[in-house]
Amino acid sequence: DIQMTQSPSSVSASVGDRVTITCQASQGISSWLAWYQQKPGKAPKLLIYAASTLQSGVPSRFSGSGSGTHFTLTISSLQPEDSATYYCQQANNFPFTFGPGTKVDIK
Amino acid sequence: EVQLLESGGGLVQPGGSLSLSCAASGFIFSSYALSWVRQAPGKGLEWVSTISGRAGTIYYADSVKGRFTISRDNSKNTLFLQMNSLRAEDTAVYYCAKDRREGGWAFDFDYWGQGTLVTVSS
Repeated sequence: DIQMTQSPSSVSASVGDRVTITCQASQGISSWLAWYQQKPGKAPKLLIYAASTLQSGVPSRFSGSGSGTHFTLTISSLQPEDSATYYCQQANNFPFTFGPGTKVDIK
Repeated sequence: EVQLLESGGGLVQPGGSLSLSCAASGFIFSSYALSWVRQAPGKGLEWVSTISGRAGTIYYADSVKGRFTISRDNSKNTLFLQMNSLRAEDTAVYYCAKDRREGGWAFDFDYWGQGTLVTVSS
């Protein structure tokens, strides 16, 4: 199985800050990576697929990059509504696996 | 508007069975693969099972293989998960999720239901 790791596990930043989350796969997954945002008590929401394609309706301050084993999610200017946990997920092969999550808090 | 609505969760004793349903609307149901993804309390996301649009291809996580059965009724736009031999570690919110790609596989999920809680405890 492909193992996904994320760093940091949590980050606290101020409104307007640039926030970067890293996701690493245990083996190459090309660009088959998705990012999700989950708020407490809510279902996950797809933000980015194919490593760098923004899902329809997602604000442009979110961006993704990477391929192979190393990926990043960047929030260019953090907003209060971005407080959430962010998960990466490899979509390269079964079993699909998610990263452990990164909690983003607003200072 | 795409909607996915899970039901069937509840409290069940270890070794027991439970059947979950996910009623879908707002898209051509038979054209999309669907999945179950679960989340134990306070934990991360775990993929459970996926079924193709016409139900010809099914995958399971090793943790549930042989105990859980995924199925779908395309005439009723409903996805199912039959869970047998339940264990305490199956306790989680179970989400149904829709594959992003019509007529094929993207293996990522663009719409999710609100989830249904399954608690396995004596």
